[in-house]
Amino acid sequence: DGGITQSPKYLFRKEGQNVTLSCEQNLNHDAMYWYRQDPGQGLRLIYYSQIVNDFQKGDIAEGYSVSREKKESFPLTVTSAQKNPTAFYLCASRRLAGPGGEQYFGPGTRLTVT
Amino acid sequence: DAKTTQPTSMDCAEGRAANLPCNHSTISGNEYVYWYRQIHSQGPQYIIHGLKNNETNEMASLIITEDRKSSTLILPHATLRDTAVYYCINNAGNMLTFGGGTRLMVKP
Repeated sequence: DGGITQSPKYLFRKEGQNVTLSCEQNLNHDAMYWYRQDPGQGLRLIYYSQIVNDFQKGDIAEGYSVSREKKESFPLTVTSAQKNPTAFYLCASRRLAGPGGEQYFGPGTRLTVT
Repeated sequence: DAKTTQPTSMDCAEGRAANLPCNHSTISGNEYVYWYRQIHSQGPQYIIHGLKNNETNEMASLIITEDRKSSTLILPHATLRDTAVYYCINNAGNMLTFGGGTRLMVKP
């Protein structure tokens, strides 16, 4: 099956710990994205990457870090500096073929920090 | 901030057409209109997109006004499984900005 996988589906951590969320795609898409969603709200962009070894901050990058060592993988680390890390995290990918390319989303990881 | 305006919620009877409006009065010439939907606790699902012509696929139809300042997503025969939050987005490049969307409730 082609698509985007995120693991795990649910993740629990203690406050003060860094945690890394996994995102893998086998769609051969160039661009990958991380979004955060809080209850009842729309998605907000954290980071995105258009090419291996390069990435840009989105609207709410503070307290997060990413890497893009392989085209297929774009892990997100939620650091202890993120003040409100509990949220639903969504990864997406897109082919870079002009503005018409739609984004495909993974199933999400629900992170709870206590 | 999101560049589109949608009603917060709508109801639709099962089997009837669901017409979801969206205002995007500040859309620029090279920006597409995208529609996604999100069923509770799942990732958003792409539905359709268009630039200026009306579009149709197996899921829905997209009607864009001639001035491109608004559009309507049409689900021709809504089912209970179409209950979701529907997002309208206009975008010319990488970044999609999601607003609050329209919560569509399909009722039996």
